[in-house]
Amino acid sequence: RKEVEQDPGPFNVPEGATVAFNCTYSNSASQSFFWYRQDCRKEPKLLMSVYSSGNEDGRFTAQLNRASQYISLLIRDSKLSDSATYLCVVPRPGNTPLVFGKGTRLSVIA
Amino acid sequence: NAGVMQNPRHLVRRRGQEARLRCSPMKGHSHVYWYRQLPEEGLKFMVYLQKENIIDESGMPKERFSAEFPKEGPSILRIQQVVRGDSAAYFCASSSGGIGEQFFGPGTRLTVL
Repeated sequence: RKEVEQDPGPFNVPEGATVAFNCTYSNSASQSFFWYRQDCRKEPKLLMSVYSSGNEDGRFTAQLNRASQYISLLIRDSKLSDSATYLCVVPRPGNTPLVFGKGTRLSVIA
Repeated sequence: NAGVMQNPRHLVRRRGQEARLRCSPMKGHSHVYWYRQLPEEGLKFMVYLQKENIIDESGMPKERFSAEFPKEGPSILRIQQVVRGDSAAYFCASSSGGIGEQFFGPGTRLTVL
């Protein structure tokens, strides 16, 4: 299994839809996880941190399944402005470099 | 509160020249990270520095690449004798320490002709 693996997509969804992305990770000792968002030709920006079983922020919900070693991101009521690439990020345990997945591309269509 | 600053935003070099990329971390941050992103690829960690120290350079190519973060001034990523394969977006991030949120700069897009 790769350190961090994501379905590259693209996910093309209509406005208002609910969409979910999964991310699997290989190191069972990892304790914290992040979802970053990256717009085309822009820098990544933190969307959510996940330190326990999950986190919710408005339309966005992140869930962690340690037994199966995956993290999910759920976006409800999709907006056109949600179109971006969503990066799953896992720090290496005992060290700080972040390991980025290749990202899942989302296009929300009017 | 200014964010992470990188310059130049775009850099064009011919093969064999040197490229110097600069990064000023967010105010109050003493931890700097450099990442490289090739087209259609994910971000790859290169090096992690604190003031005057390289903490982890496991992602740095063995030759031609070096990084520093002096006591005063920005962090610098230096690429000597650039080749076409060095063309990429180079992002710098900073944090206040530990395994926490890293804030990214806008990146430097290096094009090697």
